[in-house]
Amino acid sequence: EPEVTQTPSHQVTQMGQEVILRCVPISNHLYFYWYRQILGQKVEFLVSFYNNEISEKSEIFDDQFSVERPDGSNFTLKIRSTKLEDSAMYFCASTGTTTSSYTFGSGTRLTVV
Amino acid sequence: ELKVEQNPLFLSMQEGKNYTIYCNYSTTSDRLYWYRQDPGKSLESLFVLLSNGAVKQEGRLMASLDTKARLSTLHITAAVHDLSATYFCAAEGFDSNYQLIWGAGTKLIIKP
Repeated sequence: EPEVTQTPSHQVTQMGQEVILRCVPISNHLYFYWYRQILGQKVEFLVSFYNNEISEKSEIFDDQFSVERPDGSNFTLKIRSTKLEDSAMYFCASTGTTTSSYTFGSGTRLTVV
Repeated sequence: ELKVEQNPLFLSMQEGKNYTIYCNYSTTSDRLYWYRQDPGKSLESLFVLLSNGAVKQEGRLMASLDTKARLSTLHITAAVHDLSATYFCAAEGFDSNYQLIWGAGTKLIIKP
């Protein structure tokens, strides 16, 4: 069964450093997303991406965040200057259509120290 | 603004019993999802419910949707230990700009 792949599985970074989280969505999917889950809390929407541009973003997705699809297969989330409160599990997801279910990757656990 | 509330947030039950998790949402939603999450793991899709009266079943889990009541339920029949996990519902629609809005999750512990 096709999978969404995320790397790394765990990243520890110092406050103020830049991090890039990587995702390989399912190959024939068209819609890509980033969600995050702070430990023990709700899953929160960050951003959606379609046709090589951001289609929606939440209030969390401020100027410190950016997304790219650099080569037609990878989908990346960059946090320019990490803060302690950015520590969370970050999930990438993709869908083939607007009515199909989301397939989530296994997540990247980001720890900012 | 679309909001999603789940209850209960925590449920401990014995194997063999039946129970229901409830998911209420505040405004019109086009789609209702149920996901399972094991500790430290990803979000596994269980059901997508698209229309009023939709009912889907997989093994001991059955999900239903009542759009008039803005309520979805996840029913567990004759629970077994392997079903221990956290279950999330999520909704999306025009009022959420088609972003998935998540419930807080129900942590289910099934004791042998």
